[in-house]
Amino acid sequence: QVQLVESGGGVVQPGTSLRLSCAASGFSFSDFSMHWVRQAPGKGLEWVAVLSYDGSNKYYADSVKGRFTISRDSSRNMVYLQMNTLRHDDTAVYYCARDRGLQDYDGIQSWGQGILVTVSS
Amino acid sequence: AIQMTQSPSSLSASVGDRVTITCRASQGIRNDLGWYQQKPGKAPKLLIYAAFSLQGGVPSRFSGSKSGTDFTLTISSLQPEDFATYYCLQDYSFPFTFGPGTKVDIK
Repeated sequence: QVQLVESGGGVVQPGTSLRLSCAASGFSFSDFSMHWVRQAPGKGLEWVAVLSYDGSNKYYADSVKGRFTISRDSSRNMVYLQMNTLRHDDTAVYYCARDRGLQDYDGIQSWGQGILVTVSS
Repeated sequence: AIQMTQSPSSLSASVGDRVTITCRASQGIRNDLGWYQQKPGKAPKLLIYAAFSLQGGVPSRFSGSKSGTDFTLTISSLQPEDFATYYCLQDYSFPFTFGPGTKVDIK
């Protein structure tokens, strides 16, 4: 079955960088777009970014555009979120997620367990 | 960006009650909407996709409907395991946007 395992979270200071990783298994990785979604403590879900199945298209939430970069390594079934110039309001649980559509964008079907990123001085 | 509003923000209900939650999109999104259930400390779980379609393994007491730009999640007979927070997500255009959530708790 689909398995998504995030890593790389932790406590960082404002203005610094962090890279999250997501190891994917149980499906044909190169056929599905991959997303990152976050949830600040006690708040709702916020979609962050998507990378198309073939790596050719990327879209971002306005709140992270220019600071975060999504990428993938299909040889290793990995997806990454490079987060630069982190701010206090980036503090959240970050979820790696797989799209529902085969070589398309059809919403989010599968989720990792989430990883906590805390931005604090 | 497409805005999603959701109502109510919270509700209290009893086991066996019929529960309805509504999301309204700020513009037409065809049927490109999903519903998710989230329990505390857990990842969200897909319940309904494409507005009407039940995700595999999800009980048939969950259903989705649509009227114009209003989308509704209905739980026909609330069960103890259904107490959770529910979110809608529009996947019509980027950036994808979630509704603010509806918390369903025990009356």
